[in-house]
Amino acid sequence: QQQVKQSPQSLIVQKGGISIINCAYENTAFDYFPWYQQFPGKGPALLIAIRPDVSEKKEGRFTISFNKSAKQFSLHIMDSQPGDSATYFCAASKAGGTSYGKLTFGQGTILTVHP
Amino acid sequence: DAGVTQSPTHLIKTRGQQVTLRCSPKSGHDTVSWYQQALGQGPQFIFQYYEEEERQRGNFPDRFSGHQFPNYSSELNVNALLLGDSALYLCASSPAGGRPYTFGSGTRLTVV
Repeated sequence: QQQVKQSPQSLIVQKGGISIINCAYENTAFDYFPWYQQFPGKGPALLIAIRPDVSEKKEGRFTISFNKSAKQFSLHIMDSQPGDSATYFCAASKAGGTSYGKLTFGQGTILTVHP
Repeated sequence: DAGVTQSPTHLIKTRGQQVTLRCSPKSGHDTVSWYQQALGQGPQFIFQYYEEEERQRGNFPDRFSGHQFPNYSSELNVNALLLGDSALYLCASSPAGGRPYTFGSGTRLTVV
């Protein structure tokens, strides 16, 4: 019930291309879906987050698409750059109750953008 | 504006020993959560502290304990270290409303 499944495990994209990472969740009580970017030796940094009352959110080159009925959400990185090469994690959490504040993470996607 | 500060950055301990990791939350944040990130995996929730109380706990044994101080800083203690405890330990802070969460750079713990 608490799982978040992320795919693909790794992704190689050419500079200027579109990177797409997908996540699926099971617990319909989740109401907050952030994406984090992590560079080696650093902690995860929040990229963008969405709530289930909207289907899409865009911030610069980063877009989250959210499909509530399918319990899936995805991260699109437009015009991918070599500096985007990092590990990306989707996550989910729910407000209130006994799991308040707990983030459940996906397994991560290693993105490599070739120049 | 300082973000989340963790110390030390790296630590090597021997099996059976005890370790204490420290975290100072981002200014304005009063809630601290701890996560364990094994190599190649996503972070796993250990527990969360708010108002100096453990509010929420993940599936970690009692060897993992914590504390939050009146200034909102926090410690993570691990007793009787196992080789499998080797990981990056991340601290995340958040405002009272719960979101968003800001992570520190972590403490890399190696148990030999």
